[in-house]
Amino acid sequence: GQQLNQSPQSMFIQEGEDVSMNCTSSSIFNTWLWYKQEPGEGPVLLIALYKAGELTSNGRLTAQFGITRKDSFLNISASIPSDVGIYFCAGSGGSNYKLTFGKGTLLTVNP
Amino acid sequence: DGGITQSPKYLFRKEGQNVTLSCEQNLNHDAMYWYRQDPGQGLRLIYYSQIVNDFQKGDIAEGYSVSREKKESFPLTVTSAQKNPTAFYLCASSIDRSRGPQHFGDGTRLSIL
Repeated sequence: GQQLNQSPQSMFIQEGEDVSMNCTSSSIFNTWLWYKQEPGEGPVLLIALYKAGELTSNGRLTAQFGITRKDSFLNISASIPSDVGIYFCAGSGGSNYKLTFGKGTLLTVNP
Repeated sequence: DGGITQSPKYLFRKEGQNVTLSCEQNLNHDAMYWYRQDPGQGLRLIYYSQIVNDFQKGDIAEGYSVSREKKESFPLTVTSAQKNPTAFYLCASSIDRSRGPQHFGDGTRLSIL
């Protein structure tokens, strides 16, 4: 089946720093989705990517659908304490729209 | 405000008992999903439904059952056949399945007594 590697597993940064995380797949994807989850809550969809090479922003967040269609990147600029949470990538390929989730990146921001 | 409501927030199951988790959405979405989340893991799909009166098994459907009698509602039953039910259960919805889950509920945490 499809495998998806998300890295890093965790990050500890200072407020104001930029953050970058990525996901790589063993197979080609048609869709990449990025979510943020806070403790005790459901994930919130941050950015959806549906085309190779696509670069999309949502405020201080920017995500890219890799040209190879096997990877995606999420960048957060000028981090703030409320950026704390677990960020998940998810991707799907093929006509069955089967979505595979990464294991998440835990982000901690020190004020 | 539109959204997904899951209830209860916390649920305890006894041995041999079936329990049902509620999921209601007022987003007018066709597709609905149930995911299971275990600590340090990504989400795993239990069941999904693309339209009323239709649903399909996901990757870990054994020991679970669902129904989709109304567009707004997609309840999940955790049966006694599910031997390791302790987890965080998340319901989600989307306009259609091709876009992936667009909205999630706040989850139900199920534990064994």
